[in-house]
Amino acid sequence: ILNVEQSPQSLHVQEGDSTNFTCSFPSSNFYALHWYRWETAKSPEALFVMTLNGDEKKKGRISATLNTKEGYSYLYIKGSQPEDSATYLCAFIIDFGNEKLTFGTGTRLTIIP
Amino acid sequence: DSGVTQTPKHLITATGQRVTLRCSPRSGDLSVYWYQQSLDQGLQFLIQYYNGEERAKGNILERFSAQQFPDLHSELNLSSLELGDSALYFCASSVNLHTEAFFGQGTRLTVV
Repeated sequence: ILNVEQSPQSLHVQEGDSTNFTCSFPSSNFYALHWYRWETAKSPEALFVMTLNGDEKKKGRISATLNTKEGYSYLYIKGSQPEDSATYLCAFIIDFGNEKLTFGTGTRLTIIP
Repeated sequence: DSGVTQTPKHLITATGQRVTLRCSPRSGDLSVYWYQQSLDQGLQFLIQYYNGEERAKGNILERFSAQQFPDLHSELNLSSLELGDSALYFCASSVNLHTEAFFGQGTRLTVV
């Protein structure tokens, strides 16, 4: 069974502070890693798709890094704003022949004004 | 609006019944994924299709089946429904594995 694990499960951060959280996945096989943001009562929205070891992606104040050899990805949020409050999900694809996009249970981020 | 359309938005049905959930992917997307989100659970992968062909299967119950049609829309059929099948069912589509998935608004199924 291939699991994607995210930590922490939940996080409260003061507005203006920066934060980061982790997605761990099996490093033995790897095809792609996705990050999504999921706001309450909405649908998940994609942030990044990363495929190469050492990939770094950035969108505004949010960035992500990928280490496929050790099996982890970090998501960073700089200068948190109330609108960043959401659950952040990572999802993993093991290889081209096994195309399950398997999601972790997410990190629930709450920004305190 | 993600461009992925799911119908119906809400469905209430009795135990033992059969329902069909429909998903129209974004224009140009060949891949369709189905997920189940039960109360306090994460997104559980059910099944994935690419250009009409089944490509990956999760822990999908035998009472559940799906298909992707030539026009690329997909249907998820749930039969002999049980109370535990009550959940939010999401469909997502993508161009291919290198690109992000776009999620529909989900179908909330309530089995009574």
